[in-house]
Amino acid sequence: QKEVEQNSGPLSVPEGAIASLNCTYSDRGSQSFFWYRQYSGKSPELIMSIYSNGDKEDGRFTAQLNKASQYVSLLIRDSQPSDSATYLCAPLPRGGSYIPTFGRGTSLIVHP
Amino acid sequence: GAVVSQHPSWVICKSGTSVKIECRSLDFQATTMFWYRQFPKQSLMLMATSNEGSKATYEQGVEKDKFLINHASLTLSTLTVTSAHPEDSSFYICSARDLGSSGGANTGELFFGEGSRLTVL
Repeated sequence: QKEVEQNSGPLSVPEGAIASLNCTYSDRGSQSFFWYRQYSGKSPELIMSIYSNGDKEDGRFTAQLNKASQYVSLLIRDSQPSDSATYLCAPLPRGGSYIPTFGRGTSLIVHP
Repeated sequence: GAVVSQHPSWVICKSGTSVKIECRSLDFQATTMFWYRQFPKQSLMLMATSNEGSKATYEQGVEKDKFLINHASLTLSTLTVTSAHPEDSSFYICSARDLGSSGGANTGELFFGEGSRLTVL
């Protein structure tokens, strides 16, 4: 079983729609979860972090965490073409390394 | 957020030569930096953890003699790809944590450099 699983996509949504990106992880002990956005040819940038079950909202972004189901998602409301990128899910596994494990990412395409 | 700068952004070299990539934390001190490699359409793969003043910790399968890491100061880590071959062509990205911005708490958040795209001919 892969440690972090994401649908590679591409996920295509029209401008203005809600984009829903999903991620499952295998380490039940993971406590922190991060979403990074990576534009083509660029390095990742952190857009959201979530540590507790439930929802966390930041502008157009909402992260949702369900530790019992080992599932974390990212919703992007009012999607814009500039949101087109690959979104990497990165849970922080248990242990003292504090190094997140990255999924392959989901490619999102927002078309006008 | 914290700023991590990486140089060079692009490098093309001949097979058999060595290439050095620098990673600097510009507005904070980083006792630990991380080096990742990313092949096209693949996930980020951690290569090694760079520790200031001590030896780097390499992930399984990463040749420490081929990928030399030096972390001589609190703001600079370097990765040298020695005797590069075409299969080493990849996107190399460094990252670091800014413990100061989180009040000293290690939250796991990483700040990434711009990345260095290496092409070995």
